[in-house]
Amino acid sequence: EVQLVESGGGLVKPGGSLRLSCAASGFTFSSYSMNWVRQAPGKGLEWVSSISSSSSYIYYADSVKGRFTISRDNAKNSLYLQMNSLRAEDTAVYYCARGIGWFGELSYYFDYWGQGTLVTVSS
Amino acid sequence: QSVLTQPPSVSAAPGQKVTISCSGSSSNIGNNYVSWYQQLPGTAPKLLIYDNNKRPSGIPDRFSGSKSGTSATLGITGLQTGDEADYYCGTWDSSLRKVFGGGTKLTVL
Repeated sequence: EVQLVESGGGLVKPGGSLRLSCAASGFTFSSYSMNWVRQAPGKGLEWVSSISSSSSYIYYADSVKGRFTISRDNAKNSLYLQMNSLRAEDTAVYYCARGIGWFGELSYYFDYWGQGTLVTVSS
Repeated sequence: QSVLTQPPSVSAAPGQKVTISCSGSSSNIGNNYVSWYQQLPGTAPKLLIYDNNKRPSGIPDRFSGSKSGTSATLGITGLQTGDEADYYCGTWDSSLRKVFGGGTKLTVL
């Protein structure tokens, strides 16, 4: 059974940093692209970042570029999101999601999602 | 403002059919496959439709998807109260970003 479990969320002050983790199990982690998607309270889904299976290709939303860093450790079946210079507008539930396909291919979708971890940026 | 446009809400009676539209452009829907996600209250999104019209294992055939040009549509027949949820369309954009619609809240009256 595919499982994605996020952790690392919490309350942080504006300008602060936080590192999210996503522990994957039930599939060959190193064979799949992985993604972070966030959802602000009462709002819709917003894509944050994607990383290819071997970490060769990484993409970010403009809203987080230069502040967030996605990474993965295939030996530990784990995905990470380092978030720096956090702002109030970064407050959201952050989901990790497994990707099928990739940018440039006809098909690129997210077939499994974790339960999410809440990040609150407030003074 | 979302790249893909969905109606904020739709509603229908139990047993009826409803459709949810998703409008984009040639830089996203027009040249790529569309997926749909269901988010029940208080839960994580779940893949409902991929590659425009394919259903993952376990998704009932009451759910269907289609695409024409730069628009896509999710159809749900035989509505049940358990279908009340937010529905999102998604694809990727030529700017190398994943894009979602703003979401549609389905109410089963």
